[in-house]
Amino acid sequence: EDKVVQSPLSLVVHEGDTVTLNCSYEVTNFRSLLWYKQEKKAPTFLFMLTSSGIEKKSGRLSSILDKKELFSILNITATQTGDSAVYLCAVINNAGNMLTFGGGTRLMVKP
Amino acid sequence: KAGVTQTPRYLIKTRGQQVTLSCSPISGHRSVSWYQQTPGQGLQFLFEYFSETQRNKGNFPGRFSGRQFSNSRSEMNVSTLELGDSALYLCASSLRQGAGEAFFGQGTRLTVV
Repeated sequence: EDKVVQSPLSLVVHEGDTVTLNCSYEVTNFRSLLWYKQEKKAPTFLFMLTSSGIEKKSGRLSSILDKKELFSILNITATQTGDSAVYLCAVINNAGNMLTFGGGTRLMVKP
Repeated sequence: KAGVTQTPRYLIKTRGQQVTLSCSPISGHRSVSWYQQTPGQGLQFLFEYFSETQRNKGNFPGRFSGRQFSNSRSEMNVSTLELGDSALYLCASSLRQGAGEAFFGQGTRLTVV
């Protein structure tokens, strides 16, 4: 059974701090790892990572995948209060579009 | 372009009733997946539809079913509702099977009393 574990469970930082969120996985026939941000309802797509060692970047957010060690990290630099959310990591295998999610990391950014 | 649309946004049902939720994917997307989100279990996969066929199914009882229409719109049905079915039901749209990137709708919040 595919498994995704995220750490830490929750995090409180102040604006301007840099945070690193972790995601480790065990999956049969791994295809990709995805990061989502969930504020209230709909998880919002952030990144999809398929290849090891290639950093994906979008503004202050970046992510990288290590397929040998089976983990990914999501970095957020110069955090803002609007970054407060639950960050979800999910993996997808070759069977289709089924996403297996981790439990999420709840990030709170204080002014 | 319009995102994923789920209706209704909120529902309150009584135990034993049945419910149908609807999802319209992003225009041009042909794969629709359904997820249940609860505080205790997190986000769990229910099923995936592509070209009107169920392609994958999660570990849920047979009371949970779904279908997809020729225009890619999908419905999921839960029969004989139980209190534990109270959850946020999310629909995700992908371009095709195996596309990877999935875009979520706002969800339907179902409360069973």
